Amino acid sequence: GDSVTQMEGPVTLSEEAFLTINCTYTATGYPSLFWYVQYPGEGLQLLLKATKADDKGSNKGFEATYRKETTSFHLEKGSVQVSDSAVYFCALVSGAGSYQLTFGKGTKLSVIP
Amino acid sequence: GAGVSQSPSNKVTEKGKDVELRCDPISGHTALYWYRQSLGQGLEFLIYFQGNSAPDKSGLPSDRFSAERTGGSVSTLTIQRTQQEDSAVYLCASSLRQRETQYFGPGTRLLVL
Repeated sequence: GDSVTQMEGPVTLSEEAFLTINCTYTATGYPSLFWYVQYPGEGLQLLLKATKADDKGSNKGFEATYRKETTSFHLEKGSVQVSDSAVYFCALVSGAGSYQLTFGKGTKLSVIP
Repeated sequence: GAGVSQSPSNKVTEKGKDVELRCDPISGHTALYWYRQSLGQGLEFLIYFQGNSAPDKSGLPSDRFSAERTGGSVSTLTIQRTQQEDSAVYLCASSLRQRETQYFGPGTRLLVL
C-alpha cells in the first residue's frame, strides 16, 4: 500500500538557519504530493503541493520538488523564523483510484531566537 | 469565504456512550473526508464521500463507526459504544472534486473517560 516516511523529529533550529525535512514515499500510479503544516493549537493547513514529476511547490519561503527517480519530496527553507515553529506533515494522494491523503508521522520544528 | 467547520470543538464522554461529530464542508465542495489524529497512530483516513456515490468506508476501524452525508453537504460521524482508544482529534476535510486539494476543519477533540 501507499506510505510516506519523513524524518523523525523534533528538529530544533536557530532563527535564520537552513531547514530541510526529508520525505520519501511509496505509491502506486502517479501520486500528488503535499506538505501540510499544523501550528500550535490550530488545524492542518496546506503549505504547498506538486502534482507531477519535477514540479516545484512553493509558499511562504518553503519549497519542495517532486523527484520521481528518488521518490522524494523534501521540504526546504533558506532562513527559518520563530513563527515557522509547527508540525510539518508530508502526504500523498495516490494515482491509483483512491482519493484519501496518506500522511507521514509529522516532524515537529522548533525555531529559537 | 467560509472554511470547513466542525462541531463540537471538544467532547468529553463516558465509555460506552454514543457520540456524534458534525462537519460542514466548504460550499460547493463535492468531496468530503474524515480523518483521525491520535498520538499513537498519527493521521489516519476514516471515510470518504464523493457526490451521491457510495462512500469509501475502507478506513473505518470497526463497525462502531459510521458516517452519513445528507444532501451532499453536511456530514455526521457517529461512534457507538465509545472506548478509551477512540480518544483522538477527528478531522474533516473537503475538496472541490476528488483528487483536488483538501482543506481541513479545526477538528473535534474527543476524550473518552
